[in-house]
Amino acid sequence: GNSVTQMEGPVTLSEEAFLTINCTYTATGYPSLFWYVQYPGEGLQLLLKATKADDKGSNKGFEATYRKETTSFHLEKGSVQVSDSAVYFCAQLNQGGKLIFGQGTELSVKP
Amino acid sequence: GAGVSQSPRYKVAKRGQDVALRCDPISGHVSLFWYQQALGQGPEFLTYFQNEAQLDKSGLPSDRFFAERPEGSVSTLKIQRTQQEDSAVYLCASSPRLVNEKLFFGSGTQLSVL
Repeated sequence: GNSVTQMEGPVTLSEEAFLTINCTYTATGYPSLFWYVQYPGEGLQLLLKATKADDKGSNKGFEATYRKETTSFHLEKGSVQVSDSAVYFCAQLNQGGKLIFGQGTELSVKP
Repeated sequence: GAGVSQSPRYKVAKRGQDVALRCDPISGHVSLFWYQQALGQGPEFLTYFQNEAQLDKSGLPSDRFFAERPEGSVSTLKIQRTQQEDSAVYLCASSPRLVNEKLFFGSGTQLSVL
């Protein structure tokens, strides 16, 4: 069945460091892929998305490219800030119209 | 308010008690989802409504779980005879379209069953 696997956290970085959070998926066909972010005390919110192979989603300095060859959608940011500290969830939209989430990766950025 | 509102924010229940969790979606949103999020895990799908119709309830873990959205707006998730394993954060999300590419999430209800 459809699933999403993320790298385990927590990930701790210093401010201005480069960030990569790995995400791979299994699916029938080519689902839309998403990154959601959950800041402390807040609800999940969409960070970026890509709807087809080779698409690049980007927002707030974050990027992720839909790679069908490796079934991956890794999240990257060139220079993280303390305000990026949050839990990041990779997700896919399955054929039934449901979002399937990974287990989440906690990011902590230190000044 | 402009966002998805859930109440209560926290709920403590004794084992065996019935609970009801409320979700007020964004006005006019067609689709409404319930997810269950255990500590340290990603959200797990419970059920989905399109307007008042419950189109998918395949994620409800047992017949103790029941959800409704009678007028196509506010939704209630009811858990009967709560068990300790029901302890989790229950998230509600809504979407303005039938194709659910962007969900708007509430802050959730944290349920603790003692």
